Amino acid sequence: ETGVTQSPTHLIKTRGQQVTLRCSSQSGHNTVSWYQQALGQGPQFIFQYYREEENGRGNFPPRFSGLQFPNYSSELNVNALELDDSALYLCASSLEADSYNEQFFGPGTRLTVL
Amino acid sequence: DQQVKQNSPSLSVQEGRISILNCDYTNSMFDYFLWYKKYPAEGPTFLISISSIKDKNEDGRFTVFLNKSAKHLSLHIVPSQPGDSAVYFCAASANNAGNMLTFGGGTRLMVKP
Repeated sequence: ETGVTQSPTHLIKTRGQQVTLRCSSQSGHNTVSWYQQALGQGPQFIFQYYREEENGRGNFPPRFSGLQFPNYSSELNVNALELDDSALYLCASSLEADSYNEQFFGPGTRLTVL
Repeated sequence: DQQVKQNSPSLSVQEGRISILNCDYTNSMFDYFLWYKKYPAEGPTFLISISSIKDKNEDGRFTVFLNKSAKHLSLHIVPSQPGDSAVYFCAASANNAGNMLTFGGGTRLMVKP
């Protein structure tokens, strides 16, 4: 069974650019959540997709958007990058979207915005 | 507005002793609590959880205690081992929010041999 994978591992962008981060869920998982972890802080919930539909969203502006594909892989897109977007971006997949379903995290993508 | 707080950024204990990590929350809607462990260059991994209908859950060396009236939970690791050295995150979810998690800021645990 393959775990959650993310690509790329590291990325450097400049302010104003756009970025796409990718996540491949664990086999059979239909729910994916994205989190932003700034340096020295805990992960912050960005949004969740369940069966290709956005299922919930945290306190992030609309320039953070996502997609979930029929094979349940996922993308996080960030437009008009700002310096404060520099962070580790984590995706997590789970079998279903209810509370008791364990989330399995990928290793993250480290984004640096210059 | 931090709904989940871990007030100790770091904790150092001797191998074999007890490690106690604390977490406070403010949102009364939270009804499920989890602890995650994170090593460098890896994603967080699930450690143990507790539902709000319980006040204690135990799994091997790990025990989580929940005090709903104080909105406080703690993770006890006994005995602590050097391999337990990692960053520990407390997280919470509300029943109406599925498994969308609110995390605390983390506590770095160092277990000295």
